[in-house]
Amino acid sequence: SSELTQEPAVSVALGQTVKITCQGDSVGNYHAAWYQQKPGQAPMLVVYAKNNRPSGIPDRFSGSTSGNTASLTITGAQAEDEADYYCNSRDSSGNHYVVFGGGTKLTVL
Amino acid sequence: QVQLQESGPGLVRPSETLSLDCTVSGGSMRTYYWGWIRQPPGKGLEWIGYISHSRTTIKNPSLKSRVTMSLDTAKTQFSLKLTSVTAADTAVYFCARVASGYDTELTNYYYYMDVWGKGTTVIVSS
Repeated sequence: SSELTQEPAVSVALGQTVKITCQGDSVGNYHAAWYQQKPGQAPMLVVYAKNNRPSGIPDRFSGSTSGNTASLTITGAQAEDEADYYCNSRDSSGNHYVVFGGGTKLTVL
Repeated sequence: QVQLQESGPGLVRPSETLSLDCTVSGGSMRTYYWGWIRQPPGKGLEWIGYISHSRTTIKNPSLKSRVTMSLDTAKTQFSLKLTSVTAADTAVYFCARVASGYDTELTNYYYYMDVWGKGTTVIVSS
């Protein structure tokens, strides 16, 4: 089982704002990162180190952390944002292990 | 622009060893870690482990006894071996570049995978 808990599924109306969360003890101590995965494709990094975006990622994607919950917010969701989203962080033991959340399927209505 | 490409057999028999390579092009292997992640059919991502350019390895505790990772900077390649495979090891295997940073407020290192290979499907079956 994952140390990071995500909602299995979330939906959002086209153009609206959606927040996807990732809850776990380690999130309060180590920055989370977020990945977008479309069917048949490799994951793609969209946010890292709290709220940094790689080059080419639209600014409608943003990250934040409050306590033990990291969040990915999509402001003005587009049809092409429909995908699975995964968070990752270090595990809570203090070792340099990596853990992933179980993933959230985002549907854009 | 750094690109990663996995290669290896798509079919492995139960109890045998799964061997995959990941070739890195367009960039140096220094200053980064190099990792493996897998995704069973219809399921989420599972971290396998990563290796540094100095060949230090960190492995998922649940797979540690079966995993070996190596790195060949001359070939710009890193490799994964997973022994004694079963059907539960059937998955898409991804290689990835692992970046790290240090947060001065949290006083901790963090890791994220900023470049991924396209993935290769490995089926364990007789």
